[in-house]
Amino acid sequence: DTGVSQDPRHKITKRGQNVTFRCDPISEHNRLYWYRQTLGQGPEFLTYFQNEAQLEKSRLLSDRFSAERPKGSFSTLEIQRTEQGDSAMYLCASSLEYGKNIQYFGAGTRLSVL
Amino acid sequence: AQTVTQSQPEMSVQEAETVTLSCTYDTSENNYYLFWYKQPPSRQMILVIRQEAYKQQNATENRFSVNFQKAAKSFSLKISDSQLGDTAMYFCAFMVRTANSGYALNFGKGTSLLVTP
Repeated sequence: DTGVSQDPRHKITKRGQNVTFRCDPISEHNRLYWYRQTLGQGPEFLTYFQNEAQLEKSRLLSDRFSAERPKGSFSTLEIQRTEQGDSAMYLCASSLEYGKNIQYFGAGTRLSVL
Repeated sequence: AQTVTQSQPEMSVQEAETVTLSCTYDTSENNYYLFWYKQPPSRQMILVIRQEAYKQQNATENRFSVNFQKAAKSFSLKISDSQLGDTAMYFCAFMVRTANSGYALNFGKGTSLLVTP
């Protein structure tokens, strides 16, 4: 049983560059979530997919952020023109549509913007 | 807006002792879910325990139990017989169904628990 996997685990980039992260949810999970966690804080919700449809976006998700989930399988989160304030851990979680509403988290991608 | 408050940034407990982590939340909703997640250093977040708001009975999972006080909007976590492996950041989280049928989690800032020998 494979859990939620995220790639890469660490990403260092220069300000102004674009970065893309990937999340592979647990195979039978049709719901997928992205969260951002900064140092000393709890995760903050960014966006939510049910299958391939992006149903919810937080106001934290500025125009520089875009997320996709083609074919309702893996998801990508892209940040364009990165800023130092984007430095954070980006967490992905998945869950079943019917069940106990338990979200299972990946290990995250730590982004450092220099 | 739903808010979650964890008033204890850091706590310490000796091995085999019992510790209680506090959490309060604010909501006008009646149906929701509450969770405690554990995030060990440099490792992924894992679920510790889950509580449904409509259930009066407090949830338990082995050494972990909660004291859920709906009227007081309080949801504390008790860890009995603490083990060194319990050392982690503990997050209290609140979940409510959103307008678009999403179930976003709102997290507190966390409590860092250190279990000492």
